[in-house]
Amino acid sequence: GNSVTQMEGPVTLSEEAFLTINCTYTATGYPSLFWYVQYPGEGLQLLLKATKADDKGSNKGFEATYRKETTSFHLEKGSVQVSDSAVYFCALSDLTGNQFYFGTGTSLTVIP
Amino acid sequence: DSGVTQTPKHLITATGQRVTLRCSPRSGDLSVYWYQQSLDQGLQFLIQYYNGEERAKGNILERFSAQQFPDLHSELNLSSLELGDSALYFCASSARGGSQETQYFGPGTRLLVL
Repeated sequence: GNSVTQMEGPVTLSEEAFLTINCTYTATGYPSLFWYVQYPGEGLQLLLKATKADDKGSNKGFEATYRKETTSFHLEKGSVQVSDSAVYFCALSDLTGNQFYFGTGTSLTVIP
Repeated sequence: DSGVTQTPKHLITATGQRVTLRCSPRSGDLSVYWYQQSLDQGLQFLIQYYNGEERAKGNILERFSAQQFPDLHSELNLSSLELGDSALYFCASSARGGSQETQYFGPGTRLLVL
């Protein structure tokens, strides 16, 4: 069946450090892939998405590339800020749009 | 602000009771999703509605049910509550429920079962 495996946290980085959060998936066909972010006390909000192989999603300095060959969608940011402290979720939507799978979430804390 | 509203924000109840959580989707969105977020199981997809009809079911218990009304708001009913049902319940909406669409999440309802 479909599933998402996400890098365990928590992750603590200094400001301006490079961030990678790994995400791999199992799915049939070509699902859509998403990164959502959850700030403390809030609901999830879309950070970026990619809907086909080799697509790169980007937003607010974050990037992720849909890699079919490695079934991965790793999140990266070149220089994190304190305001990036949040929980990040990798997610998958199957071809029908009827099933949705979220990773367990990775908590990121950025210290000044 | 995502445009999705959920009420109540917090709910405290006892085991065996029944509660109703309410969600209003973003203006114009036809599809509503319900999720449960707990510490031990992460974020689990429960159920999806599209324009009043159930479209997909995830890991929803038989004690739980939902519906979407003609005005497109949705309610999630949780009955015979157990301690393990304590969690954050999120509602999300999207335009038509397509696989490539962004889901917009509400702020959640925190349920505590004592």
